[in-house]
Amino acid sequence: SQTIHQWPATLVQPVGSPLSLECTVEGTSNPNLYWYRQAAGRGLQLLFYSVGIGQISSEVPQNLSASRPQDRQFILSSKKLLLSDSGFYLCAWSGTGNYGYTFGSGTRLTVV
Amino acid sequence: QKEVEQDPGPLSVPEGAIVSLNCTYSNSAFQYFMWYRQYSRKGPELLMYTYSSGNKEDGRFTAQVDKSSKYISLFIRDSQPSDSATYLCAMTRSGGSNYKLTFGKGTLLTVNP
Repeated sequence: SQTIHQWPATLVQPVGSPLSLECTVEGTSNPNLYWYRQAAGRGLQLLFYSVGIGQISSEVPQNLSASRPQDRQFILSSKKLLLSDSGFYLCAWSGTGNYGYTFGSGTRLTVV
Repeated sequence: QKEVEQDPGPLSVPEGAIVSLNCTYSNSAFQYFMWYRQYSRKGPELLMYTYSSGNKEDGRFTAQVDKSSKYISLFIRDSQPSDSATYLCAMTRSGGSNYKLTFGKGTLLTVNP
């Protein structure tokens, strides 16, 4: 069966520090991968999605970047965090066909 | 006009009540409709999946899609305290760029024992 792993669960980082969040998927090949941010009252905001290794599409201009170095690995990064980067970050994957996304357990990031 | 509108609530009901959650949408190209349940501090989990119009039932949950009205609903019968969560609707077009779901903002539901 397919599983998605996302870590860490909680992170507190100072303003200006770098960020690296990692997501891996098991049990499937060539998944579509997504990074979302969820802020209170604002719903789910799609940040990046990837349909293959090295293929990244950005949905919103921001302080973040994403990379997909391996088929089932998706990384969200920042060189210098801003206070506004605080939020709940979710990784998700989907396969062929419209059967919805499977989400990871999320990372709660607080920038102080 | 936003593509998907969902009343954020909060919605508070007594245990055993029938709950109705709804979303409206503007894009007539949407063909696939989903409901996600998200517990506090957890990732959303897929609850119901429906293609095109009609009803789908799974235990205490029923999803309805009315494409003519661009309106979807999730009904929860005999609601339980464990149903307390945020419910998000989501939808996407058929074919083409089917990678991206459009989500509602979610409705916070509390079922009181």
